[in-house]
Amino acid sequence: AQKITQTQPGMFVQEKEAVTLDCTYDTSDPSYGLFWYKQPSSGEMIFLIYQGSYDQQNATEGRYSLNFQKARKSANLVISASQLGDSAMYFCAMREGLVDTGNQFYFGTGTSLTVIP
Amino acid sequence: NAGVTQTPKFQVLKTGQSMTLQCAQDMNHNSMYWYRQDPGMGLRLIYYSASEGTTDKGEVPNGYNVSRLNKREFSLRLESAAPSQTSVYFCASTVFTDTQYFGPGTRLTVL
Repeated sequence: AQKITQTQPGMFVQEKEAVTLDCTYDTSDPSYGLFWYKQPSSGEMIFLIYQGSYDQQNATEGRYSLNFQKARKSANLVISASQLGDSAMYFCAMREGLVDTGNQFYFGTGTSLTVIP
Repeated sequence: NAGVTQTPKFQVLKTGQSMTLQCAQDMNHNSMYWYRQDPGMGLRLIYYSASEGTTDKGEVPNGYNVSRLNKREFSLRLESAAPSQTSVYFCASTVFTDTQYFGPGTRLTVL
């Protein structure tokens, strides 16, 4: 079974609108971390947001928020007030196990977001 | 602070040739990782190192070897390159929250 599933290969959003990128994960470990990364066409990987499995509140970083629904094993990224510079590939990722113990990371296949002016 | 650096940025090999991809970080991170990225496949973990002197296999280790030379450096070696190893290779290191910081990538083509 896939550890990380991103079911939206491509998404379009109007500038200034909000968009939700879906991510579901699969683990039986009670300790894990969930991440979102952005990869623009230039190719670098940019960290956006992190959610720990024991965090009670949804993570937020500026215009990014992570909608964490533990029972459903979903970790959707919400981008508010989309900008043209948000056009990129977005990857959801998971670390299994306790933090800073050298664990495997798993990435989804990504969602390509295009912001329309 | 250079962050995570990788050399080379681009490389073309012939089938059967060997090469080493170099990675270094100056952030005093314990854990380091090597990934490959193929179209439609996301990033797949090749090897990782939780600390100096330790290495572990990831999802796709076949055809690769690694060396954690010291805390700063983590190299990836292809002993006998194959066309299936044509990919973009990323090195990453992690801070205590396990947020991964990535290098700029190496684009490798094996003919």
